[in-house]
Amino acid sequence: QKEVEQNSGPLSVPEGAIASLNCTYSDRGSQSFFWYRQYSGKSPELIMFIYSNGDKEDGRFTAQLNKASQYVSLLIRDSQPSDSATYLCAVNMFDYGQNFVFGPGTRLSVLP
Amino acid sequence: DVKVTQSSRYLVKRTGEKVFLECVQDMDHENMFWYRQDPGLGLRLIYFSYDVKMKEKGDIPEGYSVSREKKERFSLILESASTNQTSMYLCASIKPSGTEYSPLHFGNGTRLTVT
Repeated sequence: QKEVEQNSGPLSVPEGAIASLNCTYSDRGSQSFFWYRQYSGKSPELIMFIYSNGDKEDGRFTAQLNKASQYVSLLIRDSQPSDSATYLCAVNMFDYGQNFVFGPGTRLSVLP
Repeated sequence: DVKVTQSSRYLVKRTGEKVFLECVQDMDHENMFWYRQDPGLGLRLIYFSYDVKMKEKGDIPEGYSVSREKKERFSLILESASTNQTSMYLCASIKPSGTEYSPLHFGNGTRLTVT
């Protein structure tokens, strides 16, 4: 069973702080990793993806990947109340076409 | 920008009804997916399709069927709706297979309530 795990939260951080969201995955053959943000009652929207070990930055967001540890994280700098949402980690196993496995999501609350 | 359109935002159906959920994408994507999302259970794959008239079962296909008669349209069918099918249904599409870095693009979702 291929699994993606996330701490369900809620994770509460004060406005302006760094929020750190973590994700682990079971399949060593996983190729690419995606972070989606989902507001309550809405569909997931892509924040960023990463496929090479190390860090990838996009504005206030940084994705970090460590394939040896099977670990991917998302850092949100200068957190804003508008960042309050559920963050989904998705892993593309790519063993048969596209095979996305989603984590359960981490609920983030940024307190003003 | 990729657009994935689900025909209904909210639906209320009665137990035993046949329900059709429609999804259309405008980017010539070959691969399309149907997920359902429930609190505490996350996103679960129901069915997916890699081409017209082609379908594959996902993790929870029981009680569902799909139809892909045209490349841009992927329909999810609940043959006889039951209350345990009350959920948020999400359609997604992706660029042709072979591009493992492509993200899934989601529609706005259909919140189905079966009474």
